[in-house]
Amino acid sequence: DTGVSQDPRHKITKRGQNVTFRCDPISEHNRLYWYRQTLGQGPEFLTYFQNEAQLEKSRLLSDRFSAERPKGSFSTLEIQRTEQGDSAMYLCASSRYPGELFFGEGSRLTVL
Amino acid sequence: DAKTTQPNSMESNEEEPVHLPCNHSTISGTDYIHWYRQLPSQGPEYVIHGLTSNVNNRMASLAIAEDRKSSTLILHRATLRDAAVYYCILRDAGNMLTFGGGTRLMVKP
Repeated sequence: DTGVSQDPRHKITKRGQNVTFRCDPISEHNRLYWYRQTLGQGPEFLTYFQNEAQLEKSRLLSDRFSAERPKGSFSTLEIQRTEQGDSAMYLCASSRYPGELFFGEGSRLTVL
Repeated sequence: DAKTTQPNSMESNEEEPVHLPCNHSTISGTDYIHWYRQLPSQGPEYVIHGLTSNVNNRMASLAIAEDRKSSTLILHRATLRDAAVYYCILRDAGNMLTFGGGTRLMVKP
């Protein structure tokens, strides 16, 4: 399968713990995106990388959130000191061309 | 980002065509119109996009009004697998897509 891969698919954690999600994009795609989606809502943009450079960050991304794409391939999204409001589906997407995003199946976070 | 307006939900019968409308009256001349859909428990999936002319691909057709203030996604023959939330999105020259609430399409057998 050569699609976008996300890990873990599900994460349950206690409030205050740190969590990290990993995204492996489609190999020839230089653009990588993170979105967050809560139940009944459309995905909300969090951040965007072109190769290893983080070019855009949403104001939604508080200082507890950090994303990296160290070698321009896989990316990680870390949430520190999780809060119940962080419970959501975290979606990663990659693209070769602007606007034609391929999404992974997401990582569902539940904060107790 | 320019905004789009879509109906919250629509119903269709299986094997009939479906026309999903989208209004974008504040579209600028360089905004692309993108459509994505999201099946239950999956990430969004690219469907089609266009700028000024109508577009066709294996999944759907995109009809863009002459003044570009509205567009319609056409599924030529709905199947049960087409039941999803369909998002109409405007993209400027940048790379980000801003999703709205979309239209939930229900397909009846």
